[in-house]
Amino acid sequence: DVKVTQSSRYLVKRTGEKVFLECVQDMDHENMFWYRQDPGLGLRLIYFSYDVKMKEKGDIPEGYSVSREKKERFSLILESASTNQTSMYLCASSLSTTGGYNEQFFGPGTRLTVL
Amino acid sequence: DQQVKQNSPSLSVQEGRISILNCDYTNSMFDYFLWYKKYPAEGPTFLISISSIKDKNEDGRFTVFLNKSAKHLSLHIVPSQPGDSAVYFCAARGSYGKLTFGQGTILTVHP
Repeated sequence: DVKVTQSSRYLVKRTGEKVFLECVQDMDHENMFWYRQDPGLGLRLIYFSYDVKMKEKGDIPEGYSVSREKKERFSLILESASTNQTSMYLCASSLSTTGGYNEQFFGPGTRLTVL
Repeated sequence: DQQVKQNSPSLSVQEGRISILNCDYTNSMFDYFLWYKKYPAEGPTFLISISSIKDKNEDGRFTVFLNKSAKHLSLHIVPSQPGDSAVYFCAARGSYGKLTFGQGTILTVHP
């Protein structure tokens, strides 16, 4: 059974703190993604990675960085959290695309509140 | 610039009737379109997809229709069930396999 896990379901941090969100998948997927979900805006891609130590900016990378040291783990880092980063953060993984559509599997999400 | 749009924030349907969720897009380079379903406190789960070279794909109670000339896709659920109540996101695949999501539509199916 496929599984994407995220380190925390709920997180409360203060403005200016450094925040780490961890994501682990057990499906040996090459691709991993970080999204944030906000009301009225849907899911927006922050960063993605096609392989270990590779990363690509998504649509809204400002204020975030990522790290992928191992294939199964993809971390999202908020260097200095701000209140406008209060959101639901979703991690996903998928196999590499070789034709056809490879489903992205999502974790349960982390609800981050920045005070 | 919202490349994928779901213009209806919510939809309410009676059990047993048809639910039709709509989605519009602007980028003609998208090669796959898909629908994800999301329950509260869970991550989205994949529902159904359609290639840009097709105009219909069916899976049980779920059918997705693609109208390329109108840059429009729709998801039909027949018959609707209370367990279908969730947020539905349409998404489109573009360059590098990236997905662009719509804003979501909250579907409520009343018993």
